[in-house]
Amino acid sequence: DADVTQTPRNRITKTGKRIMLECSQTKGHDRMYWYRQDPGLGLRLIYYSFDVKDINKGEISDGYSVSRQAQAKFSLSLESAIPNQTALYFCATSDPGQLSNIQYFGAGTRLSVL
Amino acid sequence: QKEVEQNSGPLSVPEGAIASLNCTYSDRGSQSFFWYRQYSGKSPELIMSIYSNGDKEDGRFTAQLNKASQYVSLLIRDSQPSDSATYLCAVNQNFGNEKLTFGTGTRLTIIP
Repeated sequence: DADVTQTPRNRITKTGKRIMLECSQTKGHDRMYWYRQDPGLGLRLIYYSFDVKDINKGEISDGYSVSRQAQAKFSLSLESAIPNQTALYFCATSDPGQLSNIQYFGAGTRLSVL
Repeated sequence: QKEVEQNSGPLSVPEGAIASLNCTYSDRGSQSFFWYRQYSGKSPELIMSIYSNGDKEDGRFTAQLNKASQYVSLLIRDSQPSDSATYLCAVNQNFGNEKLTFGTGTRLTIIP
């Protein structure tokens, strides 16, 4: 079983719809992250969380919100989806006990907004 | 200026040759450096980490770090077709920092 699980793996939605992408992990890590990846732009950080009570904006948080329901669960929501949010979304985790901040990624969610 | 820069490629290398991938970064305070491999449509997978100046070898992979020049590289010896992927350079500004900054990646193609 995957250590970092993202659901759904693929999603097609329409402009204006609210959608949620979910991430769960069994690695026991406190830190969780949401990234989006677009061709030619690399991985860009949307939000990150150090623990259940800690939420931080990344470089491209506008139009997104997150919820850290438990140590193991971190969800990303698009309140009103727009076509330029079409991208590949990744969840990642890291262990604060590891000073180097190695991050481990889920398999990704491919989102298309029509 | 981008914080982490990589040549986007594509970089084509014959099978069995050495592939050399380069990355420069702008923050002199950066402390840890990573190379991730990403196959098309898949998630990034960590292949090397390096924290000190010099070389670090792991199998066919060697990471090289030069903090004075703000430069990190990845060498892949005896390149195989399965090495064809996009390689992402990532930099952590200081130990305990919560964020990695990623380059846009270099697409590597190994030609049989």
